[in-house]
Amino acid sequence: DAKTTQPTSMDCAEGRAANLPCNHSTISGNEYVYWYRQIHSQGPQYIIHGLKNNETNEMASLIITEDRKSSTLILPHATLRDTAVYYCIVFRGDYKLSFGAGTTVTVRA
Amino acid sequence: DTAVSQTPKYLVTQMGNDKSIKCEQNLGHDTMYWYKQDSKKFLKIMFSYNNKELIINETVPNRFSPKSPDKAHLNLHINSLELGDSAVYFCASSLHTGELFFGEGSRLTVL
Repeated sequence: DAKTTQPTSMDCAEGRAANLPCNHSTISGNEYVYWYRQIHSQGPQYIIHGLKNNETNEMASLIITEDRKSSTLILPHATLRDTAVYYCIVFRGDYKLSFGAGTTVTVRA
Repeated sequence: DTAVSQTPKYLVTQMGNDKSIKCEQNLGHDTMYWYKQDSKKFLKIMFSYNNKELIINETVPNRFSPKSPDKAHLNLHINSLELGDSAVYFCASSLHTGELFFGEGSRLTVL
C-alpha cells in the first residue's frame, strides 16, 4: 500500500472546522483513501473513505486533490469529543488495512 | 448491543503462561481481524480471516494461534507468553474490506 504522511499533531478550537492534511504522493489508481480515528483507550473508528471524488457523511468531509496525491479530512464543527488520533490510510482493497502514526488532534475549548 | 465484543478487557498473567482472548461480532460480517497496539501506540495487523479461512498472517510468531469456529467468532490463543506480548489487542470485523468495526480492546500485561 502507498505510504502516507501526516502532521504529528495539531490543535484546533472548539466549534471551528478542523482540516487534517494527508500526503499520499505514491498512491495508485486503484487505491482508496480511508480515514479512521482512535479516541483515547477506545478501538479505532471508521470515519470516511474515497477514491477520486470528494465525499461527505455525518461525521466529516473528505477532499481529494485532482491528482490524488493528497487529501484533507474536514471536521466541520470540532467538539472536545473529537480529540483523538486521526489516521489517513491508503488501501488497495485487500484484507490488510495498515495504520501509520497518525495525527494527534487536540480540540481546545 | 455491542457490535464487536472482546473478552476479557484486562488480562494480567505471568511469563510462560498460555492465555486466550475471545472475540464475537453480531454484525453478520464475513471478515474478522486481530490487531496489536504496543506501548508506542502503533497499531499492527496480525491476522485476518474471511469466512473462517486465514487470509493474512503478518509474520506473527507461531505462539499466536487464531481460531475461527464460525464467521461470528475469532479467538486468539497465545502460548508461552513473553514480556513483549504486553499490548492492547483489538479485534475487528468488516463486510467491505476497508470499513472495519473494532472492539474496545483487550489489554494484556505479562509480568
